[in-house]
Amino acid sequence: SQTIHQWPATLVQPVGSPLSLECTVEGTSNPNLYWYRQAAGRGLQLLFYSVGIGQISSEVPQNLSASRPQDRQFILSSKKLLLSDSGFYLCAWNKEARSYNSPLHFGNGTRLTVT
Amino acid sequence: AQKITQTQPGMFVQEKEAVTLDCTYDTSDPSYGLFWYKQPSSGEMIFLIYQGSYDQQNATEGRYSLNFQKARKSANLVISASQLGDSAMYFCAMSPPMNSGYSTLTFGKGTMLLVSP
Repeated sequence: SQTIHQWPATLVQPVGSPLSLECTVEGTSNPNLYWYRQAAGRGLQLLFYSVGIGQISSEVPQNLSASRPQDRQFILSSKKLLLSDSGFYLCAWNKEARSYNSPLHFGNGTRLTVT
Repeated sequence: AQKITQTQPGMFVQEKEAVTLDCTYDTSDPSYGLFWYKQPSSGEMIFLIYQGSYDQQNATEGRYSLNFQKARKSANLVISASQLGDSAMYFCAMSPPMNSGYSTLTFGKGTMLLVSP
C-alpha cells in the first residue's frame, strides 16, 4: 500500500532563517505531488504541485520554493523565512491529477512557527 | 470558476446522534467529483468519502454517507451514530475543472464538529 511521510512534525525557526521541509511517497511511482499551507483556523491554500521530476508549478507567488529531485520526493524551501510563513504545511499526492475521481492523500503535516 | 461553500462554521451533536454537514458547490463541468475530508486536532487530513457526478446512488462508507442532490448542487455529509472521535474539522472538496491542466482539488473553508457525551 502507498504511504506518505512528511517531516519534521514541528519546527520553530527565527525570521530570516532558511527552511527545508521534506515529503516522500512510498508504494507508487510517478505520483502527482502537492504542497498546501493552512493558516490557523483557515482552509487549505495550494502552494505548489508537481507532475514529474523537475516539474514544479506555483499557484501563489511568495517567499517559498519547491523542488522535486527524485520521483517520490518533494521539498519545500525558503531562503529567508518571514513571520507570515507560519502555518501548517501539508504534503499530498494522487495518481490522476486531471481525473475527477482521484482523491488526495495527505501526510501528517508540519507545524511551522516563525519567531 | 469553481466554488465550494460550507456555511456552518461549527456544529454540535450529542454522542450516538446523526449529524449532517452541509456543502454546496458551483461548477460548469458535466463531470466532477466531490470529496469529504476529516481533520482531527492532530492535523492530518483523512479522506472519508467520494461521490461522482454520474453516480446514481449516494456514496456510503461505514457510518459516513453523502446526500448528493445534483439539481441543488449540494453534497452533504451525514455521519450516523456520532462518536467522540468524530470531533474534528470537516472539509468538502471538488475535483479540478477538466480544462484546468494539472491543478488540484478545490476545498471549502470547513465545518468544526464537536461531539459531546
